[in-house]
Amino acid sequence: DTAVSQTPKYLVTQMGNDKSIKCEQNLGHDTMYWYKQDSKKFLKIMFSYNNKELIINETVPNRFSPKSPDKAHLNLHINSLELGDSAVYFCASSQDRRSEAFFGQGTRLTVV
Amino acid sequence: KNEVEQSPQNLTAQEGEFITINCSYSVGISALHWLQQHPGGGIVSLFMLSSGKKKHGRLIATINIQEKHSSLHITASHPRDSAVYICAVNTDKLIFGTGTRLQVFP
Repeated sequence: DTAVSQTPKYLVTQMGNDKSIKCEQNLGHDTMYWYKQDSKKFLKIMFSYNNKELIINETVPNRFSPKSPDKAHLNLHINSLELGDSAVYFCASSQDRRSEAFFGQGTRLTVV
Repeated sequence: KNEVEQSPQNLTAQEGEFITINCSYSVGISALHWLQQHPGGGIVSLFMLSSGKKKHGRLIATINIQEKHSSLHITASHPRDSAVYICAVNTDKLIFGTGTRLQVFP
């Protein structure tokens, strides 16, 4: 059973479209995250949720909106996609903010 | 300057060699993580440590809190160890280093 699963694994879309990436964890963790890995492979946090509440929002454009319907899910919706949004997006979860993080397999988003 | 610096950026080794990757950080942390990212892209947590030393198989991670420095060692390296190794520090969020790309040749 996959601990942290993201869908889709690959996403190719045109500029201006709206898309969502889904993330689910079956570890019973309280905290979930979205990270962006750019073309230089540098990882940076975007959002962190604890028990469905937003606790970190790292100067991400408001075209990106995370949604947490319950503590096992943290979805990422992106409006009006731009070329610069092309990256690999990783979801992760941890028991709390100071615990080991478990990562999903990543979603490679390509905006054309 | 990044808050988390790794060295070297790239590392090539012959199978069997002892490998060391270094990580220095400039912020106060509650823990430090070593992560492995394979060419396929998935990220796996190798260690989380806040003091001392941890060992798992051929991997050893150490941390010196006073010096704000950690090392990841791989003994008897193998081609399957080829990956990007990422250091990340836990403040109220994870801050990542830029990664070290390791290639181990047979």
